[in-house]
Amino acid sequence: NAGVTQTPKFQVLKTGQSMTLQCAQDMNHNSMYWYRQDPGMGLRLIYYSASEGTTDKGEVPNGYNVSRLNKREFSLRLESAAPSQTSVYFCASTGLGTDTQYFGPGTRLTVL
Amino acid sequence: GDSVTQMEGPVTLSEEAFLTINCTYTATGYPSLFWYVQYPGEGLQLLLKATKADDKGSNKGFEATYRKETTSFHLEKGSVQVSDSAVYFCALTKSGYSTLTFGKGTMLLVSP
Repeated sequence: NAGVTQTPKFQVLKTGQSMTLQCAQDMNHNSMYWYRQDPGMGLRLIYYSASEGTTDKGEVPNGYNVSRLNKREFSLRLESAAPSQTSVYFCASTGLGTDTQYFGPGTRLTVL
Repeated sequence: GDSVTQMEGPVTLSEEAFLTINCTYTATGYPSLFWYVQYPGEGLQLLLKATKADDKGSNKGFEATYRKETTSFHLEKGSVQVSDSAVYFCALTKSGYSTLTFGKGTMLLVSP
């Protein structure tokens, strides 16, 4: 089992460019999450999907969109990147009836 | 809203020293409490958890006790190793909800 995988590992964008961060899990988990990690801020929830076909906003959703493509995959899209979106992005998942989240290795994004 | 407060770091210790990282929380109801660890360049992984008052979570020599009367979940280890150098996050989730609320993280640096 690969667990939670994320692509790409690193990305540099210019202001205004768009991109999609990919996340996939092979643990048959129902719920998936996107977080951003900034120095001194801990992890903040951007969006989550409690189950296939549903998505909900988290603490910091502005500037992002998500798609729960199927049970395995949950993508995060930046339509027009801004320097304030420079961060490390983590995807996580959890199974039905459990509360332990499993995290991917992260994507380090720099917006110039 | 719910919140988690951790002691600021970095915490710098010599190998074999005793470790305490303080964590307090604010939440309605009866949250589950977690400690996650992030090693350099990696995603977060669950270290330990406790789901009800007076429960003690333990793993890899680390322990934390859920204290409802003081709304605390302090992380302790009797003898730290260089390999314990990482960032430690305290977090909570509420019954019936799958989203985590994280503290800002505490960096631990252990020197030989």
